[in-house]
Amino acid sequence: SYVLTQPPSVSVAPGKTAKITCGGNNIESKTVHWYQQKPGQAPVLVIYYDDDRPSGIPERFSGSNSGNTATLTISRVEAGDEADYFCQVWDSTADHYVFGSGTMLTVL
Amino acid sequence: EVQLLESGGDLVQPGGSLRLSCAASGFTFSSYAMTWVRQAPGKGLQWVSTISGSGGTTFYEDSVKGRFTISRDNSKNTMYLQMNSLRDEDTAVYYCAGIASGANWFDPWGQGTLVTVSS
Repeated sequence: SYVLTQPPSVSVAPGKTAKITCGGNNIESKTVHWYQQKPGQAPVLVIYYDDDRPSGIPERFSGSNSGNTATLTISRVEAGDEADYFCQVWDSTADHYVFGSGTMLTVL
Repeated sequence: EVQLLESGGDLVQPGGSLRLSCAASGFTFSSYAMTWVRQAPGKGLQWVSTISGSGGTTFYEDSVKGRFTISRDNSKNTMYLQMNSLRDEDTAVYYCAGIASGANWFDPWGQGTLVTVSS
């Protein structure tokens, strides 16, 4: 089955840029979606179709997808961005949805 | 306002059964595929099952296939997950989420309901 690999944690200082990666075999052939989950809350979609933002998501959130790596970039990081972030794809070979293992973003 | 509200979570013994419900409002329910995603305590998100807008097509994660059944009643704007032969490893918060037509991402999400499998 298709596997998505994320780093367990990323740390960044306020005002700096955070990059969270999501690795998968030829992931560029798939569309990647990203979710933010704060403690005790349900996940929230922050990026869909690799680089589109739902309404209400700040422009500071952006995405890219190339080769074997998709990346969620958060610019001008704020304390309120501290959360777990999960990538997700549809694996058409298995008719399964797949999530990455998640990355905890810590704002220093 | 778009809303998904799960219910039915409970403490159940191994081998037992439980039915979860997800009530939708604020959008055209029958136009959305619907899905269940679970999260074990302290762990990541795991996709469980998806049902098409009409209910005619279903998909299951391998570990629940044959034990869980997803269904929906579009007249009641409600989706269900019948869980049988429950195991300790099924303990999790179960979220329902919507999948818009033509999409393969999950939005909106409910707040989740806790299922605990323990003797």
